[in-house]
Amino acid sequence: GENVEQHPSTLSVQEGDSAVIKCTYSDSASNYFPWYKQELGKGPQLIIDIRSNVGEKKDQRIAVTLNKTAKHFSLHITETQPEDSAVYFCAAMGYSGGGADGLTFGKGTHLIIQP
Amino acid sequence: GAVVSQHPSRVICKSGTSVKIECRSLDFQATTMFWYRQFPKQSLMLMATSNEGSKATYEQGVEKDKFLINHASLTLSTLTVTSAHPEDSSFYICSAEALTGRETQYFGPGTRLLVL
Repeated sequence: GENVEQHPSTLSVQEGDSAVIKCTYSDSASNYFPWYKQELGKGPQLIIDIRSNVGEKKDQRIAVTLNKTAKHFSLHITETQPEDSAVYFCAAMGYSGGGADGLTFGKGTHLIIQP
Repeated sequence: GAVVSQHPSRVICKSGTSVKIECRSLDFQATTMFWYRQFPKQSLMLMATSNEGSKATYEQGVEKDKFLINHASLTLSTLTVTSAHPEDSSFYICSAEALTGRETQYFGPGTRLLVL
């Protein structure tokens, strides 16, 4: 099955600086890579996703890059703000013969934005 | 759009009782719903995949007789934790994949289960 590794587990940055979170995956058949933000006691919120036919995607201060050859993808947050503080999860998904599989999540990164 | 609700948000029960958790897609139809479990300060682990009108597919190590899943309609899936024990205490989260939104999963707010 798929295995997703995520680093770092904790990331502390100054407000206004950039934050980068990296993930690797093991299953070359995986073709969909979402990123979720989870605040304490709440469900994950999709913030950006990328599919395997795209190398980079950007949405305002958030960007994701994908290197299929190396099987790694990264989340970039620029001009960080205090409200960006949360736990961020990367995930990977492939399609089995019968349809969509569930997501395999990384272990999460606790992002702390220092004012 | 793409709102998923869960009910209840929090439940406390005695050991040995059963608890039902509902997952609803409010503004879209979902062919597939997923159930995840998250222990404190850990990641989400997929428990089972639920398709409308068919039996759920369980991940390895998840007891299908303990975690009963029913996907009665394109907007509702239920998870019943039978004969709950303290080790079943966890955060249960569902997600739904839209009929027209290939791959994208929208998550519910989660249900906190505490078994005494």
